[in-house]
Amino acid sequence: LAKTTQPISMDSYEGQEVNITCSHNNIATNDYITWYQQFPSQGPRFIIQGYKTKVTNEVASLFIPADRKSSTLSLPRVSLSDTAVYYCLVGYFDSARQLTFGSGTQLTVLP
Amino acid sequence: EAGVVQSPRYKIIEKKQPVAFWCNPISGHNTLYWYLQNLGQGPELLIRYENEEAVDDSQLPKDRFSAERLKGVDSTLKIQPAELGDSAVYLCASSLPPGTSGRGADTQYFGPGTRLTVL
Repeated sequence: LAKTTQPISMDSYEGQEVNITCSHNNIATNDYITWYQQFPSQGPRFIIQGYKTKVTNEVASLFIPADRKSSTLSLPRVSLSDTAVYYCLVGYFDSARQLTFGSGTQLTVLP
Repeated sequence: EAGVVQSPRYKIIEKKQPVAFWCNPISGHNTLYWYLQNLGQGPELLIRYENEEAVDDSQLPKDRFSAERLKGVDSTLKIQPAELGDSAVYLCASSLPPGTSGRGADTQYFGPGTRLTVL
């Protein structure tokens, strides 16, 4: 299983851009990179997924360098409601390599 | 569209008692997952079903934990007997059949979880 490493916590202020980097040195050729968000007392929620280069949706961007050994989740202009735990997962849907949640990054957005 | 439904939301039991959790996945999602989440940690996979077949139960402590998904829809996770260390949140998630979404790893939709406290 591909192991991921993320910062334990990050603080930011409202309106700032937040970048959370995830390290996954042993990512396999077929593996995708997926990010989930979790609020207290809720299950995780899918944010974004990518394989290489850059992916953007309505809530975030995901930057993946050519070697794919790391990835960066970018949240533009965060608000207080973005305070949550963010998980980086690496894997593929086949049963040989399951998606594994790490401990995640606790993002705290301050006013 | 209704999301993943779990019940109960909270459960308090004494150690050595049995407990069961129920999950109803999103309609059309034939893949169902049960996770355990301890405080401050990420979810840990217990078991994954494809329809009614458990395709990955390697992390399920089979001496006390059991799960079933008889008709390939809703599922029940049971602990008997419960121990103090089983206090955690039990999450259920579902996803479309592998590869359906066109993504490399199918999006999992999580329920709110059941918070179990064993006294």
